[in-house]
Amino acid sequence: GQSLEQPSEVTAVEGAIVQINCTYQTSGFYGLSWYQQHDGGAPTFLSYNGLDGLEETGRFSSFLSRSDSYGYLLLQELQMKDSASYFCAVRGDPGGYQKVTFGTGTKLQVIP
Amino acid sequence: EAGVVQSPRYKIIEKKQPVAFWCNPISGHNTLYWYRQNLGQGPELLIRYENEEAVDDSQLPKDRFSAERLKGVDSTLKIQPAELGDSAVYLCASSQQVNEQFFGPGTRLTVL
Repeated sequence: GQSLEQPSEVTAVEGAIVQINCTYQTSGFYGLSWYQQHDGGAPTFLSYNGLDGLEETGRFSSFLSRSDSYGYLLLQELQMKDSASYFCAVRGDPGGYQKVTFGTGTKLQVIP
Repeated sequence: EAGVVQSPRYKIIEKKQPVAFWCNPISGHNTLYWYRQNLGQGPELLIRYENEEAVDDSQLPKDRFSAERLKGVDSTLKIQPAELGDSAVYLCASSQQVNEQFFGPGTRLTVL
């Protein structure tokens, strides 16, 4: 099967940098995605890593190490609107077909 | 471009009653997903369609849940009969690439 681990909650100060870690287990790994979800809202796609290294999109960056089955999401210059839940999602091939499984989410609270 | 449309947004029913959710994906997206999200958890895949074919329904409780995707476009998810534990947000998503899914606003189901 597939499984992921990420911290349940993180608190950070406005203007600072925060890193949200994700470790995963799957067979036939394809890639790791990140989604943001505000309370009461729908998940929205942030980034995808299929290869090792850093992907940057504005204030958000995502990193992947396939050898460590590990990735992280880096949020810079934190703003109050970044307060939300962040999910990593692993794409793999555990049963002979591609499957995406979401983690349980990290609730980020940005404080003034 | 219109996003994923879901209806109803909210539904309150008594246990043992039937309920149905409807989803219209983004035009041109061949892949459609139904997820269930419990409070404080990540989305859990119920079923994934490629066009009209259900390619992953391993997590769908088939004794009470059913789904269909008409002509490879709209989809309906049904629960009959509903149980108290079915209270959750039911999310529909669509994609052209499995790496990036676009989610609808969801249907919040309360079973009394």
